[in-house]
Amino acid sequence: AQSVTQLGSHVSVSEGALVLLRCNYSSSVPPYLFWYVQYPNQGLQLLLKYTSAATLVKGINGFEAEFKKSETSFHLTKPSAHMSDAAEYFCAVSDRRTGRRALTFGSGTRLQVQP
Amino acid sequence: GAVVSQHPSWVICKSGTSVKIECRSLDFQATTMFWYRQFPKQSLMLMATSNEGSKATYEQGVEKDKFLINHASLTLSTLTVTSAHPEDSSFYICSAPGGSNTGELFFGEGSRLTVL
Repeated sequence: AQSVTQLGSHVSVSEGALVLLRCNYSSSVPPYLFWYVQYPNQGLQLLLKYTSAATLVKGINGFEAEFKKSETSFHLTKPSAHMSDAAEYFCAVSDRRTGRRALTFGSGTRLQVQP
Repeated sequence: GAVVSQHPSWVICKSGTSVKIECRSLDFQATTMFWYRQFPKQSLMLMATSNEGSKATYEQGVEKDKFLINHASLTLSTLTVTSAHPEDSSFYICSAPGGSNTGELFFGEGSRLTVL
């Protein structure tokens, strides 16, 4: 089964600093990959997705992620953190091999932004 | 993008009662919807797949009789937590696939259930 691993349950950065949230996937077939953000007591909002069109994917709010097949990674970055970026971030995978449409989520990374 | 709406956002009930949570796709039709459960500070766990016009498909370990799912129309799926107990307290989130083939899901706002 497809899975994703998020390294680091908590990441803390200073406002204006680089944000790097890590995600590695396990799959013999490159899957569709997603990053979602969740604010407290809310649902999930899609930040960006990889669907094999381009390895560098740009999303909303200045976030981007790069698909690296050799490293089986899809890390999320943002050049300069803003206070409003503080939230929970989830990496997720869709199983292209089976066509199963439900997403499997990583364990999540809580991003804290210090003033 | 597609909009999915859940209701209620918050619900508190007594132990032993049943609670219904609605999930609607507002501007698109969804033959399939997914129900997830999220414990505090944890990830989302898929509970079941709701299928319009047929029975829901439950993930291993999820009690079918406890979590009743009905997909009555192309825009509405409901999750009923029957005979709720405190351990059923959780954040329940529904989602639906959009029109693309790229696998993304659109999520409702979530429903926080507290069973006293």
